[in-house]
Amino acid sequence: GDSVTQMEGPVTLSEEAFLTINCTYTATGYPSLFWYVQYPGEGLQLLLKATKADDKGSNKGFEATYRKETTSFHLEKGSVQVSDSAVYFCALSQAGGYQKVTFGTGTKLQVIP
Amino acid sequence: DAGVIQSPRHEVTEMGQEVTLRCKPISGHDYLFWYRQTMMRGLELLIYFNNNVPIDDSGMPEDRFSAKMPNASFSTLKIQPSEPRDSAVYFCASVDSVYNEQFFGPGTRLTVL
Repeated sequence: GDSVTQMEGPVTLSEEAFLTINCTYTATGYPSLFWYVQYPGEGLQLLLKATKADDKGSNKGFEATYRKETTSFHLEKGSVQVSDSAVYFCALSQAGGYQKVTFGTGTKLQVIP
Repeated sequence: DAGVIQSPRHEVTEMGQEVTLRCKPISGHDYLFWYRQTMMRGLELLIYFNNNVPIDDSGMPEDRFSAKMPNASFSTLKIQPSEPRDSAVYFCASVDSVYNEQFFGPGTRLTVL
């Protein structure tokens, strides 16, 4: 079955540092890929998505590129802020009619001033 | 739109009691998902509905758990009888399948003593 593997956290960075959170997936066909973010005490919210190979999703300074050859969708941000502290989930959903989303285990990011 | 609404936000109960969690999805969305989140097991899909019909309940842990969606604007997740290991945050999410993006509610934090 489909699966998503994320790097284990927590990740602790100083403000303005560069962020990379690795994500790889196993799936048949051509799934859509997502990054969700969960701030403390809240539900998950969609951060960005990509629906086909080589697509780049971006939002709020975050980027991720759909790499089919390496089955990866790494999340990056050039300069993190304290307000980016949250848990980040990589996820996939199969194309061809809506199906359920498979989530990774989440990576906690802590940004210190 | 107010987003996905869940109630109550916090619930503390004693072992053996019945617990009912409620969810109001975003109007017009045709899918509804129930998830459970714990530190040990992360985010688990319990059940999901399409147009009020249950599609996949394979994630429901046991017969003590049941879910209903009597109409497009309301769903319940019931635990009877509750046990301490049911303590978790329960999320509801709704989806418009045209856009394939999950919108999560704020969650219900359940504590079973």
